[in-house]
Amino acid sequence: DAGITQSPRHKVTETGTPVTLRCHQTENHRYMYWYRQDPGHGLRLIHYSYGVKDTDKGEVSDGYSVSRSKTEDFLLTLESATSSQTSVYFCAISEVQGTQETQYFGPGTRLLVL
Amino acid sequence: DQQVKQNSPSLSVQEGRISILNCDYTNSMFDYFLWYKKYPAEGPTFLISISSIKDKNEDGRFTVFLNKSAKHLSLHIVPSQPGDSAVYFCAARSTGGFKTIFGAGTRLFVKA
Repeated sequence: DAGITQSPRHKVTETGTPVTLRCHQTENHRYMYWYRQDPGHGLRLIHYSYGVKDTDKGEVSDGYSVSRSKTEDFLLTLESATSSQTSVYFCAISEVQGTQETQYFGPGTRLLVL
Repeated sequence: DQQVKQNSPSLSVQEGRISILNCDYTNSMFDYFLWYKKYPAEGPTFLISISSIKDKNEDGRFTVFLNKSAKHLSLHIVPSQPGDSAVYFCAARSTGGFKTIFGAGTRLFVKA
């Protein structure tokens, strides 16, 4: 258990509305990530953070923004939700041992955009 | 362009037998490989990893084999148990990089 919580766990929203998902960690990890999981695609990286106010884009960042104002919280925002953003969203942190980095995931947020 | 490929969407195995899940990668810069297990409605959980300096890593019933020349790795589960039924993701990364690249997953069914 890497001390990661996600909220909400489930959300239904309408096309065009803004949505914010929250990831909270309790163990002071520097690196945090947002992924989406879709059938046939596995886990795809949306955005990641390597410190407070330090973020960068992943492979599927269009339509998403992130913010990290505190070490423990990493927020993912869909500015104007679309049906293609219906997915399961996972937050992750990294633990580094030597040169190897392993990611640990939160429980996920299931988002349905109608 | 999928850098990590799991070509079998699903696999069915009898309880007690061996499960072999396969994964191929294309990026020769990858030097650390991981397997994750995912149950429905839960986040992926880390299972086992291997560094490119090794060709085998074992943890209980789980063994990961790495063939660098073929850019192929496999996860062996022996003996398979019904509780092993889950989706398994292969993942890869390169030292110093921020990104871990995941395969599409293989759904394992272990029949009692």
